[in-house]
Amino acid sequence: QKEVEQNSGPLSVPEGAIASLNCTYSDRVSQSFFWYRQYSGKSPELIMSIYSNGDKEDGRFTAQLNKASQYVSLLIRDSQPSDSATYLCAVLGGSSNTGKLIFGQGTTLQVKP
Amino acid sequence: ETGVTQTPRHLVMGMTNKKSLKCEQHLGHNAMYWYKQSAKKPLELMFVYSLEERVENNSVPSRFSPECPNSSHLFLHLHTLQPEDSALYLCASSQVEGYEQYFGPGTRLTVT
Repeated sequence: QKEVEQNSGPLSVPEGAIASLNCTYSDRVSQSFFWYRQYSGKSPELIMSIYSNGDKEDGRFTAQLNKASQYVSLLIRDSQPSDSATYLCAVLGGSSNTGKLIFGQGTTLQVKP
Repeated sequence: ETGVTQTPRHLVMGMTNKKSLKCEQHLGHNAMYWYKQSAKKPLELMFVYSLEERVENNSVPSRFSPECPNSSHLFLHLHTLQPEDSALYLCASSQVEGYEQYFGPGTRLTVT
């Protein structure tokens, strides 16, 4: 089992819709979770971090964390074509990987005008 | 300059060359990282430095040699690389080890 799993996509949504990106992780003791956005040919850009169960909202972005089910998700409301990118889920390793950020393969989002 | 900078942005080298990648962070952070990003693979952590001390070497071949002379600068020395080492090499920094990491623009390396 991969440590951090994401559906590679592409996930295609129409402009103005809600895009839902999901991520599952294997290490139960992981405490910190991050979402990065990566445009083609560019480096990852941190867009959200979440540390406790529940929702965290920042503008059009909402991160959701459920530690019992070991998943974290990212919702993008009112999706825009400029949101088209690859979204990387990253998990700070727990007991076996202290200090190491483990990345998923990323989900490619396409927002169609 | 602000954030995390990396030079060069593009590098083409032969298998017998020696080159170095440079990273500089202007954020006052105490931890710095090297990552490798290959096509269709997740980002792979290579090295972690915290307060200029290497705290992680993620089973990286010895042809990659990191150096961290101070908390703002990080180098990756390259020698006798293989074509499969061609990738995007990313530097990142964080306030403390394991906290939110911010990436530089990367160096696109091609080994011929």
